[in-house]
Amino acid sequence: GQQVMQIPQYQHVQEGEDFTTYCNSSTTLSNIQWYKQRPGGHPVFLIQLVKSGEVKKQKRLTFQFGEAKKNSSLHITATQTTDVGTYFCAGTTDSWGKLQFGAGTQVVVTP
Amino acid sequence: DTAVSQTPKYLVTQMGNDKSIKCEQNLGHDTMYWYKQDSKKFLKIMFSYNNKELIINETVPNRFSPKSPDKAHLNLHINSLELGDSAVYFCASSQTISGNTIYFGEGSWLTVV
Repeated sequence: GQQVMQIPQYQHVQEGEDFTTYCNSSTTLSNIQWYKQRPGGHPVFLIQLVKSGEVKKQKRLTFQFGEAKKNSSLHITATQTTDVGTYFCAGTTDSWGKLQFGAGTQVVVTP
Repeated sequence: DTAVSQTPKYLVTQMGNDKSIKCEQNLGHDTMYWYKQDSKKFLKIMFSYNNKELIINETVPNRFSPKSPDKAHLNLHINSLELGDSAVYFCASSQTISGNTIYFGEGSWLTVV
């Protein structure tokens, strides 16, 4: 079964609004990574979080790693049409030995 | 300067045919992967090689056979193609297997008719 759960699967956002996508695991993660895939493109690495409670920002994107290192979130403020795409979280543990991808959140932005 | 390059980008073929997708990375990474992405965007790992050795082989039909002649190349051969094989296949690489950043190729769009 899927070890990294991601919600929502789809997100329709009005341009200028904020939204958040969430990633959850039943297992404590060593790190979590976020990727973005533009329509017709390939997944591209955005960021990696390693420490408990870590928060990182990239312009309008805020990434957070939970205190228990079992969940993460990506919050986008003032959504723009360039934010369209699918956002994947991916986590790993020492025992998994590989990166497990979530199902992705497909984001559609309405002008 | 494409880091992970795969060919062909588009492939339309008939059921029952055999096809190959080639992949090369110039990042000096030890680990390479094949992922399959279906129409719902699920990214499913198929295979992983570390220094030419197969280390991950998910539940993939044995019609799919990866080959890694050296650590910079990982090719995927598919026999007896079926309609359900239609998907985007991504080659990828990472420094090592242990949770490092994954660099994806641009994808190969396979359509089986």
